[in-house]
Amino acid sequence: GIQVEQSPPDLILQEGANSTLRCNFSDSVNNLQWFHQNPWGQLINLFYIPSGTKQNGRLSATTVATERYSLLYISSSQTTDSGVYFCAVVIRATNKLIFGTGTLLAVQP
Amino acid sequence: KAGVTQTPRYLIKTRGQQVTLSCSPISGHRSVSWYQQTPGQGLQFLFEYFSETQRNKGNFPGRFSGRQFSNSRSEMNVSTLELGDSALYLCASSLKPGLAGEAYEQYFGPGTRLTVT
Repeated sequence: GIQVEQSPPDLILQEGANSTLRCNFSDSVNNLQWFHQNPWGQLINLFYIPSGTKQNGRLSATTVATERYSLLYISSSQTTDSGVYFCAVVIRATNKLIFGTGTLLAVQP
Repeated sequence: KAGVTQTPRYLIKTRGQQVTLSCSPISGHRSVSWYQQTPGQGLQFLFEYFSETQRNKGNFPGRFSGRQFSNSRSEMNVSTLELGDSALYLCASSLKPGLAGEAYEQYFGPGTRLTVT
């Protein structure tokens, strides 16, 4: 089956720093989403980005479908950005999300 | 528009018991999927429902089952609970199921945290 790998697994930043999270996937996908899991466990939608680039405030994402990777950029990080970031892909003709193992981000004041 | 809701939020059960979890999708969404999250296995797909029919099923034993009602609300049931079933169970909804060439953004509820003792 399709493999989804995220890097780095852990990241510690000082408040105000920038970061890039990467998601590699092993096959063609119909959909790619980025999520932030808050301390209570809820998955918050960040981007729905099967291809191209999107921006939302301090966050932006780029997916290059032909090269099978996606990047999530966080600029001017804040302590509230702490948590686990997941990318998840959907393979053709299903709604089944296949999740990466996540990146645990800690932003220190 | 209200988000995905799940009940109960927390649950403690004893080995051997059974449990039913409920999920109400976003209004107008007709596809509901369930996921299990554990520290060891990460986020894993359980099953997906659309129009009261199971479309896809993950690699879980038959003790895990689900259903969807005509109003798109869904329930999942776990029978004969085991300690390893302790997990966060997440429900996701989307407008439609993914079909060839189509894909729809999925939105998650807050989850039900199940502890089996």
